[in-house]
Amino acid sequence: DAGITQSPRHKVTETGTPVTLRCHQTENHRYMYWYRQDPGHGLRLIHYSYGVKDTDKGEVSDGYSVSRSKTEDFLLTLESATSSQTSVYFCAISEEGGGARKTQYFGPGTRLLVL
Amino acid sequence: SQQGEEDPQALSIQEGENATMNCSYKTSINNLQWYRQNSGRGLVHLILIRSNEREKHSGRLRVTLDTSKKSSSLLITASRAADTASYFCATDGGSNYKLTFGKGTLLTVNP
Repeated sequence: DAGITQSPRHKVTETGTPVTLRCHQTENHRYMYWYRQDPGHGLRLIHYSYGVKDTDKGEVSDGYSVSRSKTEDFLLTLESATSSQTSVYFCAISEEGGGARKTQYFGPGTRLLVL
Repeated sequence: SQQGEEDPQALSIQEGENATMNCSYKTSINNLQWYRQNSGRGLVHLILIRSNEREKHSGRLRVTLDTSKKSSSLLITASRAADTASYFCATDGGSNYKLTFGKGTLLTVNP
């Protein structure tokens, strides 16, 4: 978890409310990722960023938006939270380049409960 | 759909025994990686094997890769209770920056 923090670590919210999760890194890595982890589904990519203001959709992007205005911060927003978005959310980072640089480093996760 | 699929979904062994987990994937890859996740924590990278490598070792870990069968295995030798965790394989599907993770194998090592 070194160099990557996520906030908040736990959140309970109500259906229909907006929620923003923050990922902050001190490693100056180019790539940042948001995943969700659910029982029976493993880890699924929501959105990723390949640079400041450069983002793209992942496997399960519906209902989520992201922003990256600085290298160190990657925000995930649920515009109108639904119960199906109850999950554990992980941020990850990786360096530019191939080979061993493709290793991803994960944050500690955010547990989100949507009631 | 998931690129990598681990087998078995769960494995329970006694301390000192070896644990073998398998991963199958569908498309061509540049690299395959294995990660470990302790309960309630983020994933931690264990080992990366390139598509032109057949076997790689790191401490008590041994990874094999068979690109003709699109499969990999992770062997943990002389397991310890502290090895209890979920293990995931991740493939790049030829991407330079994205990984696709399997659903994981839950390993329980009983003392």
